[in-house]
Amino acid sequence: DAGVIQSPRHEVTEMGQEVTLRCKPISGHNSLFWYRQTMMRGLELLIYFNNNVPIDDSGMPEDRFSAKMPNASFSTLKIQPSEPRDSAVYFCASTAAGGFGPQHFGDGTRLSIL
Amino acid sequence: TQLLEQSPQFLSIQEGENLTVYCNSSSVFSSLQWYRQEPGEGPVLLVTVVTGGEVKKLKRLTFQFGDARKDSSLHITAAQPGDTGLYLCAGELEYGNKLVFGAGTILRVKS
Repeated sequence: DAGVIQSPRHEVTEMGQEVTLRCKPISGHNSLFWYRQTMMRGLELLIYFNNNVPIDDSGMPEDRFSAKMPNASFSTLKIQPSEPRDSAVYFCASTAAGGFGPQHFGDGTRLSIL
Repeated sequence: TQLLEQSPQFLSIQEGENLTVYCNSSSVFSSLQWYRQEPGEGPVLLVTVVTGGEVKKLKRLTFQFGDARKDSSLHITAAQPGDTGLYLCAGELEYGNKLVFGAGTILRVKS
């Protein structure tokens, strides 16, 4: 079975550029989560969707961050403009049931902003 | 201050030794999940505990949820090099509709 698929796996870009991270959740899962992981802050929930609707975006650090889920099989996390402190590993996860059931994580996107 | 305090942060032990990882909080959780993460990969769920006092076993791993549902522990018996990784606990707050992660415990098992 295909798991959560994230792309790209690695992204290196210069400060000020727009960055778009992509996620395809597991088919049939109706909740999707975006996380950021750093050494300093660990794993932080940025935003989550239930049935394609954003439920809680209180973890989004700034207005430079935005996330969309246009349909049940695709979500994007966009950073515009990017800054060096945005460098981290960004994970997408999905769950079969609404709420915070067991999270199925993708392998992440390692983002480096120079 | 982390809502879910995980300890120790780092553990380096010899193969065959036992170890325990703790997650503690002043908040009550409706459930608590344990994950293991390897380099370059996302966390993988090991177990979910939902009932106060619950104990679950997964081969050499024993998970316990505190009676008051504010803390949890992971005990590994006779650790093996394959147990090496980052262990994360995550609690679903009973009030607040949030899932919070501990900072993680990096475990290294030397052969």
